[in-house]
Amino acid sequence: GDSVTQMEGPVTLSEEAFLTINCTYTATGYPSLFWYVQYPGEGLQLLLKATKADDKGSNKGFEATYRKETTSFHLEKGSVQVSDSAVYFCALADYGQNFVFGPGTRLSVLP
Amino acid sequence: NAGVTQTPKFQVLKTGQSMTLQCAQDMNHNSMYWYRQDPGMGLRLIYYSASEGTTDKGEVPNGYNVSRLNKREFSLRLESAAPSQTSVYFCASSADLSNQPQHFGDGTRLSIL
Repeated sequence: GDSVTQMEGPVTLSEEAFLTINCTYTATGYPSLFWYVQYPGEGLQLLLKATKADDKGSNKGFEATYRKETTSFHLEKGSVQVSDSAVYFCALADYGQNFVFGPGTRLSVLP
Repeated sequence: NAGVTQTPKFQVLKTGQSMTLQCAQDMNHNSMYWYRQDPGMGLRLIYYSASEGTTDKGEVPNGYNVSRLNKREFSLRLESAAPSQTSVYFCASSADLSNQPQHFGDGTRLSIL
C-alpha cells in the first residue's frame, strides 16, 4: 500500500538557519501531497499542498516541490524563527483511499 | 470560522467507564475521521465515514464504536475504557474520500486510570 517516510528528528536549529525536512513516498496512483504543522497542544493545520508533479506548494515562507522522479516532497524554509517550533507531518492522499501520514518531525528553533 | 469542533477538550476516566467523544464540522464535508495520536506512533486512523450513513474501520478500531449522526456530526464511543486507550484523539473532515486536504479539530486529551 501507499506509505510516507520522513526524517523523524528531532531537528534543532538556530534562529535564521535554513530548514530542510525530507519526505519520500510510495504510491500506486497519482496522489496529492501535503505538509501539516502541529503546534503544542493543538490539532494539525494544513501548511501547504501540491496536487501534481512539479507543483510547488508554499505558505508562510515554507516551500515544497512535488518530485515524481524521486518520489519526494521535501519541506524547506530559508530562515526559521522560534515560532516555527512544532511537529511537521508529510502526508499523501489519493482518490478512494484514506490519508497516509508520515511519523512527524519535531523541529525546535533556538533563539 | 469554527471548522471542526471537538468536545470535550480534556477528560479523565476510570478503567471500565464509558464515554462518547463528540465531533462536528460546519464545512459541509462528506467525509469524517477519528484518529488517535500517541508518542512515537504518529497518527493512527480508528474509524472513518466516507459519507453520511456509512462507517468503516481504520487501522486500530478495537475497543471503539462510531456513529455518523448526520452530515455534520461523527461521534466516537469507548464502551469500556482501558488504560491503553489513554491518548489524544483527533477528529478530521474532508470534502470527500479523494485527494482533498483533511481539516482537524483541536483534539480531546483522554486519560484512563
